[in-house]
Amino acid sequence: QKEVEQDPGPLSVPEGAIVSLNCTYSNSAFQYFMWYRQYSRKGPELLMYTYSSGNKEDGRFTAQVDKSSKYISLFIRDSQPSDSATYLCAMRFVQKLVFGQGTRLTINP
Amino acid sequence: EAGVTQFPSHSVIEKGQTVTLRCDPISGHDNLYWYRRVMGKEIKFLLHFVKESKQDESGMPNNRFLAERTGGTYSTLKVQPAELEDSGVYFCASSPLGSTMNTEAFFGQGTRLTVV
Repeated sequence: QKEVEQDPGPLSVPEGAIVSLNCTYSNSAFQYFMWYRQYSRKGPELLMYTYSSGNKEDGRFTAQVDKSSKYISLFIRDSQPSDSATYLCAMRFVQKLVFGQGTRLTINP
Repeated sequence: EAGVTQFPSHSVIEKGQTVTLRCDPISGHDNLYWYRRVMGKEIKFLLHFVKESKQDESGMPNNRFLAERTGGTYSTLKVQPAELEDSGVYFCASSPLGSTMNTEAFFGQGTRLTVV
């Protein structure tokens, strides 16, 4: 069983839709929870991180962590074509990141 | 400010050959990480340098992989001899010493390695 499970998609939604991306994990020792965005042929770019259970909002993006269920989510409101990318959840264990497989998202104009 | 730079962007080599990947971290970043993504799988940790010292190399697949960071600046990752299963995208990331890593790590664009 993988430490971090993420549906690879692909996921395709119309512009303006609310997007929900999710990951589950098995290791209770994970300390920080991150979402990265990766455009084609580019490296991952940190979008948001959270430490504790709860919500964190940054513009159109909201990250949610539920440690009791070992479940994290990323919501994108008013999605734009420029949001089309692969979204990776990642969790910190000691000094390294453990990634999910990534979800390929396409926002259709 | 220049970001993390990786060379080459793409390398195609034959099985049994040697390949060396290079990473130039952001100036002043003492933490340097190597990650790898093989086809269809998630990005996986390979190793972590603090300056020139290896802090954690638990993710290195086998002894065909050798990472160095002489002088604590750029790093190289050598694969010798390369096997077909080494194909994938190799990412380098860097962060300042004392950072929480997860908030301040910057990734390079990756080197796509194809072993044929």
